[in-house]
Amino acid sequence: GQSLEQPSEVTAVEGAIVQINCTYQTSGFYGLSWYQQHDGGAPTFLSYNALDGLEETGRFSSFLSRSDSYGYLLLQELQMKDSASYFCAVSLSYNTDKLIFGTGTRLQVFP
Amino acid sequence: NAGVTQTPKFRVLKTGQSMTLLCAQDMNHEYMYWYRQDPGMGLRLIHYSVGEGTTAKGEVPDGYNVSRLKKQNFLLGLESAAPSQTSVYFCASTRKRSGGIQGNEQFFGPGTRLTVL
Repeated sequence: GQSLEQPSEVTAVEGAIVQINCTYQTSGFYGLSWYQQHDGGAPTFLSYNALDGLEETGRFSSFLSRSDSYGYLLLQELQMKDSASYFCAVSLSYNTDKLIFGTGTRLQVFP
Repeated sequence: NAGVTQTPKFRVLKTGQSMTLLCAQDMNHEYMYWYRQDPGMGLRLIHYSVGEGTTAKGEVPDGYNVSRLKKQNFLLGLESAAPSQTSVYFCASTRKRSGGIQGNEQFFGPGTRLTVL
C-alpha cells in the first residue's frame, strides 16, 4: 500500500521555528509537495521538492531526501495566521500528477 | 478569474438518493481531480481526468461516477448515496506538465459539504 506519515499535532509560540516531518512509502515518486489548509477552507499549495535538498520560499522552506523517503516543512518566524493543518503529498507520476496525501499535521501557534 | 468553483456548497441527502456535484475551472487546465476529506484525515483521490473525455479511478472510486464532457467541467455523481459518503468533497485542477522538474501546483475549489442521512 501507499502511506505518508506525519505527526498529528505540533504546537509553538509566535516567532518560533517549527519543523513538520513526513516519511513516505509509495509505489511511485515524482515529487513531494506541501499544502496548507485553514479550518473550513481549501488546501493551498506551499512548496514542492523533486530533487534532494532545501527549497526556500519566504518564511517557509521544504527539504527532501529521496534516499531516506523523508521530507520536512520548516516554518520560521511563526505568526498566528500560520495556525492551520499542513499536508505532505507525493506526486505518483509525471503523466497524471496524481497526489497521495498524508493525514496532516495540525499546527497551533500561541501568542 | 474565478479559479475553481464547486456547486453546491452544502447538501443533505437521504440514503439511496442521487446527486451530481459540479466543478468548473477557468484556468484552461488539462488535469482535474475529485477528492474526499473525512475528519482528521488527508484528502483521498476518488477519480481524476487528464483531458476532455477521459477519466480514471483513484484510491476510493466505489460508489462514484464522473464525467468530463467539457475541458472546464468535471462532474462527480453519486447514484445511490450511503451514510459512508458523508464527507467534504474537493475538486482540484492543474496544468499538464511541459517537462522539467518544477512543481505542479493543484488549485482547489472551496469544497462541498455533503451529509447523507
